[in-house]
Amino acid sequence: AQSVTQLDSQVPVFEEAPVELRCNYSSSVSVYLFWYVQYPNQGLQLLLKYLSGSTLVKGINGFEAEFNKSQTSFHLRKPSVHISDTAEYFCAVSDPDYGGSQGNLIFGKGTKLSVKP
Amino acid sequence: DAGVTQSPTHLIKTRGQHVTLRCSPISGHKSVSWYQQVLGQGPQFIFQYYEKEERGRGNFPDRFSARQFPNYSSELNVNALLLGDSALYLCASSLWKKEQYFGPGTRLTVT
Repeated sequence: AQSVTQLDSQVPVFEEAPVELRCNYSSSVSVYLFWYVQYPNQGLQLLLKYLSGSTLVKGINGFEAEFNKSQTSFHLRKPSVHISDTAEYFCAVSDPDYGGSQGNLIFGKGTKLSVKP
Repeated sequence: DAGVTQSPTHLIKTRGQHVTLRCSPISGHKSVSWYQQVLGQGPQFIFQYYEKEERGRGNFPDRFSARQFPNYSSELNVNALLLGDSALYLCASSLWKKEQYFGPGTRLTVT
């Protein structure tokens, strides 16, 4: 079965510092990869996605992620964070049993990013 | 344009009761998916509907059911509620096989 591991449950960082949120997935077949952000008491917002092509994916709010097939990783990065980036971040993969769909997502447990002034 | 809307925003039920949650997709989206997010966990896939047919089902008991209407809105029903059903229920809509857009969720508390 597919699984997603987010290696850090909480990441504290100071404002304007760089940050990396780590994500590993288990799959022997091609999957689609996603990062979502969840602000308190809100639903999920898509930050970026990898479907194919360039392994470096740029998303909204200055975030980017790199797909590494050999390490089955999809880490999220931002060179300089703001207070407003404080939120919970979820890595997700599409379930390959549903072939080609970006739905039926399998999520990690989330990483809480806390940006301090 | 309106995003995905869900109702109600919050509700409290007692064990053994039944609950119906509602979702209206983004205009033009014909696919709706439901997820359960227990506190401290990532969302778990429950169902996907497309063109009023079930296209996917996660590992949830038969107490959970859903349907999609001709206007592509959807309902999630849960029977015989258990304390463990307390969660944020998220609805997402999409064009078929395209990225999902999530609603704000319905917070269900079972006492």
